[in-house]
Amino acid sequence: EVQLVESGGDLVRPGGSLRLSCTASGFIFSNHWMSWVRQAPGKGLEWVAKVDPVHGGITYVDSVKGRFIISRDNAKNSLYLQMNSLRVEDTALYYCVKDEAHAFNVWGQGTMVTVSS
Amino acid sequence: QSVLTQTASVSGSPGQSITISCSGTRSDAGRFDFVSWYQQHPGMVPKLMIYEDNKRPSGVSCRFSGSKSGKTASLTISGLQTEDEADYYCCSDTGRGTYVCGSGTKASVL
Repeated sequence: EVQLVESGGDLVRPGGSLRLSCTASGFIFSNHWMSWVRQAPGKGLEWVAKVDPVHGGITYVDSVKGRFIISRDNAKNSLYLQMNSLRVEDTALYYCVKDEAHAFNVWGQGTMVTVSS
Repeated sequence: QSVLTQTASVSGSPGQSITISCSGTRSDAGRFDFVSWYQQHPGMVPKLMIYEDNKRPSGVSCRFSGSKSGKTASLTISGLQTEDEADYYCCSDTGRGTYVCGSGTKASVL
């Protein structure tokens, strides 16, 4: 069974940092692009970042550039999102997603990040 | 504010067809390539329904179809059923290595 399991979400103060992790199973992780997508409470979907499977090509949404770092460890079937200088507007459910054919075809259950003082 | 524009809500009776539109006219939508559509029931994880404008993943009902003309994409649900009541989101590839999404459309079955 193809599965993505996120962890690391928490309550953090503005300006703080958090590292999200995602463990993949049921498919050849090293063959696939991976992304993070977030959803603020009651709001729509927002793509955050993606990383290519081999060459390390990475892109970000403008609002997180310079603050968030996406990375992966193919040996551990894992995807990460290092989030620094967190803002209240980063509060959201963060999904790890498998990125294939320009779409998000497998989703994890999500991990909640709350930024509040 | 989401980059792609979607109508807030759409409704129909069981058995009817409804169409949800997605506009990518803002400059930050880029090329508005490869539109995908996602269904999300309350409290659940989004599910891919359409990719690359009009392709259906394995297991998705043929009642769901996608199309695109210029900067407007559409998701049509035919033979509307009560389980189709959900939020629907469109996303697209900007052609610059990034994706943008819409704010969602609430589909109701009367």
